[in-house]
Amino acid sequence: DAMVIQNPRYQVTQFGKPVTLSCSQTLNHNVMYWYQQKSSQAPKLLFHYYDKDFNNEADTPDNFQSRRPNTSFCFLDIRSPGLGDAAMYLCATSRDSYHPMPSESEQYFGPGTRLTVT
Amino acid sequence: AQRVTQPEKLLSVFKGAPVELKCNYSYSGSPELFWYVQYSRQRLQLLLRHISRESIKGFTADLNKGETSFHLKKPFAQEEDSAMYYCAPGMDQAGTALIFGKGTTLSVSS
Repeated sequence: DAMVIQNPRYQVTQFGKPVTLSCSQTLNHNVMYWYQQKSSQAPKLLFHYYDKDFNNEADTPDNFQSRRPNTSFCFLDIRSPGLGDAAMYLCATSRDSYHPMPSESEQYFGPGTRLTVT
Repeated sequence: AQRVTQPEKLLSVFKGAPVELKCNYSYSGSPELFWYVQYSRQRLQLLLRHISRESIKGFTADLNKGETSFHLKKPFAQEEDSAMYYCAPGMDQAGTALIFGKGTTLSVSS
């Protein structure tokens, strides 16, 4: 029944070694989001895709990239992870972004991938 | 951009006591607001949205445009309500960032 799936659930990488986190959805939603959530903090939006249109947040470091090869999948690439990038990474989807019907912009979250950088 | 403020980082109550988690918003236009909840070791999930005026798990939230608030309330807290609660706006027409409130940890003890 999982609608937003994130793999792996736990990822360990070495300082400076590129890592990719994956997200897939079975909801056929237009929008996919990536959030970073550090301990005891609110999720922070990194970027989102509306279909193939990529929207980067102004303060997202260049070290973070994303790919969305098709509707179902979205990847988060961290080119050179630093110790400060250790966090939970959440993927979410919504049918639409802005929409007069709030149900259309309701976000469905995956379970997250906890990234450890050694 | 739509922004919300959750002034309380932690709210501790006893079981059976009323709960009010505060959320204030600031932006122009018609607000679109949600409450999300994150139980320990579970995924972030929608609790309720303002437009539907629903009651989920005994929680309600009324949009007060005069006070620009969307406080989350429950008359009698249960221990299983202990979780992190986030107030969040929907994406605005410009498609700008959805910025969660900082979150309030609700701790309900017996």
